[in-house]
Amino acid sequence: ETGVTQSPTHLIKTRGQQVTLRCSSQSGHNTVSWYQQALGQGPQFIFQYYREEENGRGNFPPRFSGLQFPNYSSELNVNALELDDSALYLCASGGEDLSTQYFGPGTRLTVL
Amino acid sequence: GDSVTQMEGPVTLSEEAFLTINCTYTATGYPSLFWYVQYPGEGLQLLLKATKADDKGSNKGFEATYRKETTSFHLEKGSVQVSDSAVYFCALRRVQGAQKLVFGQGTRLTINP
Repeated sequence: ETGVTQSPTHLIKTRGQQVTLRCSSQSGHNTVSWYQQALGQGPQFIFQYYREEENGRGNFPPRFSGLQFPNYSSELNVNALELDDSALYLCASGGEDLSTQYFGPGTRLTVL
Repeated sequence: GDSVTQMEGPVTLSEEAFLTINCTYTATGYPSLFWYVQYPGEGLQLLLKATKADDKGSNKGFEATYRKETTSFHLEKGSVQVSDSAVYFCALRRVQGAQKLVFGQGTRLTINP
C-alpha cells in the first residue's frame, strides 16, 4: 500500500475524444510524475509537477497536459486520443528529496 | 540519452532456485538505481535502491549492488518462491534536472512449484 490512488481503474474511449485521469498523492508529497506504460514495455516518463508547476517533460506531444492541485491531487489530460494512447497510466508521488517515488495502481486506458 | 537494458525474458525457474536478472545502464554522471516489481494487475512497487557506487540495496531476500565500473545493477535472490512471480523493472534516476525515472523493458519471472 503506497498511499497513492488513481481513478478510474479502467476507461474506454474512442479515437478523437478527450480523457482526464486523476491521481491522489500522499499528504506532504510535493512532486507528482506521470508515466505511460504500453503493453509489455517499461513505463515512459510523460511529465512531472512540483508545487503545481511543470518541472520536466518527456517526449510526449502537447495534447498530453497536466495539473497539480494544493490538496496533493493531480490530473493527466489527453486530447484528441489516438489508438496508440492505449496503455496503463501510472502516477508517482514523492517528497522534497525525491529519493523514493511511490506509484499508484494505474488507470488502464483503451482507445477504440 | 540515458537508458537501461535488462536481460530479456521471460525467465522461468523452479522454486528455491537461484535468480539473477541482469541490468546495465548508460547515463551521464552517477545516477541512482532502482529495482521495481509489478505484480499482475497492479502498479509498481519499489523493491530496492542504491544511490552511489558500491552500495548494496536489499529487501525481501533480493539484493543488487551498484557497480560503476561495469555500469550494472544485477538483481539476485538465493532461493525464489512462487510468490516472486512478477515483472521486474530496473530503473535509473539522474541526480540533476527533472527527477524522472528511466526504466528498462522489464523481465517477466515465473516460478514453478
